[in-house]
Amino acid sequence: RKEVEQDPGPFNVPEGATVAFNCTYSNSASQSFFWYRQDCRKEPKLLMSVYSSGNEDGRFTAQLNRASQYISLLIRDSKLSDSATYLCVAKKDDSWGKLQFGAGTQVVVTP
Amino acid sequence: GAVVSQHPSRVICKSGTSVKIECRSLDFQATTMFWYRQFPKQSLMLMATSNEGSKATYEQGVEKDKFLINHASLTLSTLTVTSAHPEDSSFYICSAVQGAVDTQYFGPGTRLTVL
Repeated sequence: RKEVEQDPGPFNVPEGATVAFNCTYSNSASQSFFWYRQDCRKEPKLLMSVYSSGNEDGRFTAQLNRASQYISLLIRDSKLSDSATYLCVAKKDDSWGKLQFGAGTQVVVTP
Repeated sequence: GAVVSQHPSRVICKSGTSVKIECRSLDFQATTMFWYRQFPKQSLMLMATSNEGSKATYEQGVEKDKFLINHASLTLSTLTVTSAHPEDSSFYICSAVQGAVDTQYFGPGTRLTVL
């Protein structure tokens, strides 16, 4: 079983709409969680960290549910530039701070 | 912001040759660098953790004699794919961590194609 699992999508979203998707993680000892964005053939870029209390950054809202071991990302008022693959990431509880990446959820925002 | 560079960005080589990829932290000293590999439509898979001045720690299933990692300074780590084969064709990405700061800063990646 993969440590971080995501629905690969694609999620086809009309411009201006809201889209939300989850990921699940298997290691209950994971301490920190992040959403990264990866554009085609590019490196991943940090979108936001995910806190237990939930956090918002502009049009993006992230939630963490430790009891059910899932993380969610919601994008409001989708823009064409939001089209990308969103990677769910769990940080391992070790001294190196290793990151465990999901395979990503593809979002395609259409005009 | 912290900048990490990789060189080359793209390389095509013949089967059996060795390829060296450089990862540099341009404006900070990186105590730890990570090397990842990503196949199409798959997640980034951690290959190894590299600390300056010490041997790299490889993930299970990654051959240390095939993927040689050298972290000679606080701003440079290199990954050498030895005797490359077509199945080694992939997107190789490094990341660097500054001191005790959590955030990993990623390089732009190197796309390796082995013919």
